Amino acid sequence: DTGVSQDPRHKITKRGQNVTFRCDPISEHNRLYWYRQTLGQGPEFLTYFQNEAQLEKSRLLSDRFSAERPKGSFSTLEIQRTEQGDSAMYLCASSLATGTSGGTDTQYFGPGTRLTVL
Amino acid sequence: QKEVEQDPGPLSVPEGAIVSLNCTYSNSAFQYFMWYRQYSRKGPELLMYTYSSGNKEDGRFTAQVDKSSKYISLFIRDSQPSDSATYLCAMSLSGTYKYIFGTGTRLKVLA
Repeated sequence: DTGVSQDPRHKITKRGQNVTFRCDPISEHNRLYWYRQTLGQGPEFLTYFQNEAQLEKSRLLSDRFSAERPKGSFSTLEIQRTEQGDSAMYLCASSLATGTSGGTDTQYFGPGTRLTVL
Repeated sequence: QKEVEQDPGPLSVPEGAIVSLNCTYSNSAFQYFMWYRQYSRKGPELLMYTYSSGNKEDGRFTAQVDKSSKYISLFIRDSQPSDSATYLCAMSLSGTYKYIFGTGTRLKVLA
């Protein structure tokens, strides 16, 4: 078990450019989550997948943001036409569905991708 | 008003002290309560996971949930300099999978 991995760890881009981040969850984890964390704040939920289906999206996820998990394994988060306000740490987490209705899963986080938009 | 409130600190304590970290929340429907530790520029690391009210102990860490007061706590016994980090509380509703986090409390344990 190598844990959740994210790539790249750091990304510096100019305003208006597109960026894409990748997340590899813990193997056999069927749920995958994206969060955004700005300085001095806790992580804020963006979206989550169960297998390849995107089941919930936050209002924070504007139409410039798109996330995919095409084969139910790794996931990508793309930001188009980046803005300075997009500068943040983008965290990915994964969990194993417990199979019980009404429960919640334990989420394990990756190291994050730190995005700086100049 | 945020759903989850947490004092940002910093909280400075001497090595060996008992540390008390707290969160309050407004949504009485929260059922699951988590504590994460986050070192600078790293991802959050799960410390404790509790369901509903009560206490849970794991080594030097004890988590308490008081749903009647909408208040949760994390106690760290015999604190070490390596415990210096930001501690995040998180909560979720039954049947949902997104976590709502507090802002985090920055802890410094002085050698």
